[in-house]
Amino acid sequence: DAGITQSPRYKITETGRQVTLMCHQTWSHSYMFWYRQDLGHGLRLIYYSAAADITDKGEVPDGYVVSRSKTENFPLTLESATRSQTSVYFCASSERDRATGELFFGEGSRLTVL
Amino acid sequence: QKEVEQNSGPLSVPEGAIASLNCTYSDRGSQSFFWYRQYSGKSPELIMFIYSNGDKEDGRFTAQLNKASQYVSLLIRDSQPSDSATYLCAVKGGYQKVTFGIGTKLQVIP
Repeated sequence: DAGITQSPRYKITETGRQVTLMCHQTWSHSYMFWYRQDLGHGLRLIYYSAAADITDKGEVPDGYVVSRSKTENFPLTLESATRSQTSVYFCASSERDRATGELFFGEGSRLTVL
Repeated sequence: QKEVEQNSGPLSVPEGAIASLNCTYSDRGSQSFFWYRQYSGKSPELIMFIYSNGDKEDGRFTAQLNKASQYVSLLIRDSQPSDSATYLCAVKGGYQKVTFGIGTKLQVIP
């Protein structure tokens, strides 16, 4: 079945380590997004991409790197993880021409930085 | 000021009552408005979207938009315990960027 999948679903790492969260979608949606969700803050946009090789910063991009060499993949890398990056990360996608702009979310990746 | 404001709740309503969830936004250029439902430990799912002033109804759900007041609301009629979740108000600007409110936790008491 088509969809958007994230991996890993759960990850525990240590401060200073590099971590990559993967996101893969099978709909060929143009837009992809990374959000983090924290108590008291709701969902905050980290980075988004309008197409392959086109990415831009969102509200909270510091400490994160993204790439999009293929339409279907949008990995998020924490270059040197910090405790403040402990969060639940959601990848989402959206069609370019869909008037509603509906976001389709992955199941989330829960990251703990010790 | 956050771009999208919601009361975090919890909002408690008895089963069968109307639940009223509210949201304000700051960007007058916002184009589309959404309500997502998120069950605990799950990802958000879209339940309503609206882009014109007025009301939009879908089953037990009614979304209301007032662009002049920069106000969006969601009414849930005949609330059920299965409606207990966090409801996220979201606003779309340019480049399909969607900004979310903090979410209102709804508890429907049997």
